[in-house]
Amino acid sequence: NAGVTQTPKFQVLKTGQSMTLQCAQDMNHEYMSWYRQDPGMGLRLIHYSVGAGITDQGEVPNGYNVSRSTTEDFPLRLLSAAPSQTSVYFCASFDRGSEAFFGQGTRLTVV
Amino acid sequence: EDQVTQSPEALRLQEGESSSLNCSYTVSGLRGLFWYRQDPGKGPEFLFTLYSAGEEKEKERLKATLTKKESFLHITAPKPEDSATYLCAGMKTSYDKVIFGPGTSLSVIP
Repeated sequence: NAGVTQTPKFQVLKTGQSMTLQCAQDMNHEYMSWYRQDPGMGLRLIHYSVGAGITDQGEVPNGYNVSRSTTEDFPLRLLSAAPSQTSVYFCASFDRGSEAFFGQGTRLTVV
Repeated sequence: EDQVTQSPEALRLQEGESSSLNCSYTVSGLRGLFWYRQDPGKGPEFLFTLYSAGEEKEKERLKATLTKKESFLHITAPKPEDSATYLCAGMKTSYDKVIFGPGTSLSVIP
């Protein structure tokens, strides 16, 4: 049972480039979320989904897009990378009312 | 506005020196309060869920408690392997969002 799988683990982008962070879960969870983690600020919610075809914005959505075409996958797209998006990104999935399971994170640097 | 805060930001303990970490929350429609442990370079790992004031949960040297406004993570006789960042998070009754605090970085010195 792989749980939540994120790819890539590390990425360096130039300002203005676009990319997609991948997230897949094999636990058949309805709910999935993307967070970014910056020093001293904890985990901040970017976007979340309550099921296939349903997404919504979290606390810091600007500059990011998501889609959820299947239960398993929840990719996060950076449209035009900026240095302020340098961070560690975590994907999480959970069942209604239960604890969240996290991926190992993607460390993104925008230069 | 929903908010979760934690104190202290960092805590340094001698091995065997017990202490508590604090989590204060103002989350409208709180369904559950979670505690996670995070090691450097890894994703958060689930520890406990608390659902109602007065509830307590224990795991090895850790005990989590919940009141109407706060949660505490008590660490009894910590060991160096307990060194990590401890995160507190609130889940809303809508179930769709989990709101995290900034974490407490714990260092246990041999």
